[in-house]
Formats: sequence, C-alpha cells, structure tokens
Amino acid sequence: EAGVAQSPRYKIIEKRQSVAFWCNPISGHATLYWYQQILGQGPKLLIQFQNNGVVDDSQLPKDRFSAERLKGVDSTLKIQPAKLEDSAVYLCASSPTSGGQETQYFGPGTRLLVL
Amino acid sequence: QKEVEQNSGPLSVPEGAIASLNCTYSDRGSQSFFWYRQYSGKSPELIMSIYSNGDKEDGRFTAQLNKASQYVSLLIRDSQPSDSATYLCAVNLSGTYKYIFGTGTRLKVLA
Repeated sequence: EAGVAQSPRYKIIEKRQSVAFWCNPISGHATLYWYQQILGQGPKLLIQFQNNGVVDDSQLPKDRFSAERLKGVDSTLKIQPAKLEDSAVYLCASSPTSGGQETQYFGPGTRLLVL
Repeated sequence: QKEVEQNSGPLSVPEGAIASLNCTYSDRGSQSFFWYRQYSGKSPELIMSIYSNGDKEDGRFTAQLNKASQYVSLLIRDSQPSDSATYLCAVNLSGTYKYIFGTGTRLKVLA
C-alpha cells in the first residue's frame, strides 16, 4: 500500500513570496490533515478535511494560508504571502475515517525555509 | 486552550535500561491517546495507541493510561540506541476529531 505522498520535499523562498504544497493521501482514506511543525515543537493542526469538507480550520491563519481538497482526494496548502515565521515542516497525514481512534499516517513532509 | 505537556528532555538512558516517558493532558474528557516516534528529519510514526485505563503492552513498549490523573506514559524496555528519537504524545480532544500533540521528549540511548 502506497503511503502519503507530499511534494515538494524542500522549498526555499523569500518573504512575501507565495508557495504551494501538495499532498496525496493513502487511497481510500477519508480524512486528511495538514500540520505545521516548527523546529523543537510538536505538530500543530492547521486544517482537517473529511472527504472534501473542512472539519476544523480553527488554527489556520486565514489571512495568508488557504487549503483545498477538491474531489475528496488530494489536497493543496498555499501560503500567500509568506513570512519568516512560516519556516517549518508542513506535514500531511491521512486516516481511514475521523472517529477519534484512528491512526494517522504521515507523509514525509515539506521543509519550508523563508528568507 | 487544551494542552498536552511533555518534558522536552533530553532523557538519557544506558542501553538495556528502561526508558520512561511521560505526558499530561488538560482535556478531562479525552478518550484516545497515542505515542508517536519521530527520528530527526523524519515524519512521526505511530508506536502505540491506548483508550482504556491501565497498561497496554506491545513488544518492548508499554503504554500506561490514568484518566483520573490525566496522565499517559510510555515505557521502553531493553532500550536500544536505535530507540534514540523524539517521542510525541497525542490526544484526541473529546467531542472532536482533532488531535493535539505535545512538544515531544527527546530520548537518547547511550551505547
């Protein structure tokens, strides 16, 4: 079974530029999560989708971050414009459902450096 | 603000010893608890999940849950240098599908 795929793996941009990350979850997984992990911290949930609907986006900085999951499969997370403090690893995870006892499977992450 | 707290470490133990990792959480209604291992530069991978009070064993790993004390721990027996990693505690918030992660405890197993 293929795991969660993410691209790109690394990205370096200057502040105020835009960037987009892509995630393809495990086939058949209904729930997709985007997390931000700053060095030395645990992952922080940015947005959670169930199929193509948003379940939780309470910690998504909506003035600069946006995400979509068209057709309930793959997803894109965008930052526009980027700030220095957005430097982090962006992790995508998926789970079969969202019942609260589901194992989350993480992708390899995208490392973003904002200069 | 619901929180999950862990000692950031590093926790250093000699090879073959028992490593004890602890986590406390603030949401009294939480029912699902997870331990993830994260090697440097890699993404988290699930080690254990626990939902009921008491102990749950899987190989060298034992998760312990005490809901009354809002405390969950992970014991690693016969620690190996390959166990050196950051261990993340995650809690599913009651009434939601949201998971909160602690900051992680860095474990070093000394050969």
